[in-house]
Amino acid sequence: GAVVSQHPSRVICKSGTSVKIECRSLDFQATTMFWYRQFPKQSLMLMATSNEGSKATYEQGVEKDKFLINHASLTLSTLTVTSAHPEDSSFYICSAPTWTANYNEQFFGPGTRLTVL
Amino acid sequence: GENVEQHPSTLSVQEGDSAVIKCTYSDSASNYFPWYKQELGKGPQLIIDIRSNVGEKKDQRIAVTLNKTAKHFSLHITETQPEDSAVYFCAASIQAAGNKLTFGGGTRVLVKP
Repeated sequence: GAVVSQHPSRVICKSGTSVKIECRSLDFQATTMFWYRQFPKQSLMLMATSNEGSKATYEQGVEKDKFLINHASLTLSTLTVTSAHPEDSSFYICSAPTWTANYNEQFFGPGTRLTVL
Repeated sequence: GENVEQHPSTLSVQEGDSAVIKCTYSDSASNYFPWYKQELGKGPQLIIDIRSNVGEKKDQRIAVTLNKTAKHFSLHITETQPEDSAVYFCAASIQAAGNKLTFGGGTRVLVKP
């Protein structure tokens, strides 16, 4: 199956700093990638849709200036959490769709655990 | 927008028994319903999916059923094993509309040996 990687897997930072998370599709190209946020024992909440060559589409309630998304190439999307605060601590997961067999399937990255002190 | 409800939130079964998780969705335009298994500290892994033109799909010990009229779909795991213990999520999307997934709340499954 298709593989999506994320880097780093874990990051601890001080309050007020910015953190960049990378999402890569390793063996396929993705014009679209999705970024999710997951709090402990909760479901995945879609934050934004990353579009290669154009601006990201953010879900209602997600601050665009706080969560900067850049889809630099067909295999890389980055999420930058700016001026991070403890409440931004969460598990961030990306996914990318690609065609398998006869239909479109989404593949998820392993996630990035962000802890803001 | 789409709303997906999932029940139960936790499920404890004896090894070898069956587990059933149910989901309902609100948007009749949704046409793709995947199920994901998430182990602690990892990203979700697709285990089975079904499209709206199919009523049932089976893959070894896992099966999914879809009732479009009632707008609900279910995951069935037979002959459960300890390695089936994980959190399971259902999701719904409209494949022609950018493939955005709406997830259910998740079911924590514990298979007791």
